[in-house]
Amino acid sequence: EVQLVQSGAEVKKPGESLKISCKGSGYSFTTYWIGWVRQMPGKGLEWMGIIYPRDSDTRYSPSFQGQVTISADKSISTAYLQWSSLKASDTAMYYCARLGGYESDYWGQGTLVTVSS
Amino acid sequence: QSVLTQPPSVSAAPGQKVTISCSGSSSNIGNNYVSWYQQLPGTAPKLLIFENNKRPSGIPDRFSGSKSGTSATLGITGLQTGDEADYYCGTWDSSLSGVFGTGTKVTVL
Repeated sequence: EVQLVQSGAEVKKPGESLKISCKGSGYSFTTYWIGWVRQMPGKGLEWMGIIYPRDSDTRYSPSFQGQVTISADKSISTAYLQWSSLKASDTAMYYCARLGGYESDYWGQGTLVTVSS
Repeated sequence: QSVLTQPPSVSAAPGQKVTISCSGSSSNIGNNYVSWYQQLPGTAPKLLIFENNKRPSGIPDRFSGSKSGTSATLGITGLQTGDEADYYCGTWDSSLSGVFGTGTKVTVL
């Protein structure tokens, strides 16, 4: 069974750093792209970027280029999304998703990130 | 940020049919497959339709997808109360960035 399990909810202060994770299981982690999606409170879905774990080829959506870093550790089948300096506007639910082809066929349960002073 | 336009909401009585449109451009829908996702309240999105009109295993045939030019449509027939959710279309653009639609809330009257 394909599963993507994300790390737990986080509460951080502005300016702090954060790294959240997404662990894949039940499939060959290195042969599927993994993407990250943001959903701000009460808003729609936004693609942040994608990574190919086999060689860490990474593509960022223009709005998120330079704002976050996407990485992966294929030895432990885990993808990451990180911030070096959080802002209140980063408060959102973050989902990881596997790209089965041109579509996201499996999704993680989501990680809620709250940034507040 | 979204470049794909959907109606904010659609509604119908149980058993009826709804359609949700997704309008894009030649740089996204016009040259790429479209997928559709259902997001029930408080849950992660779920794939409903991929490659314009294909259903993953386990998705009932009450859900259908189509694409024509730079637009796509999701149809739901035999509407059920359990179909109340937000629905999003998705595709890729010419710079290989993923894009989602603005989202449509389906209400069962």
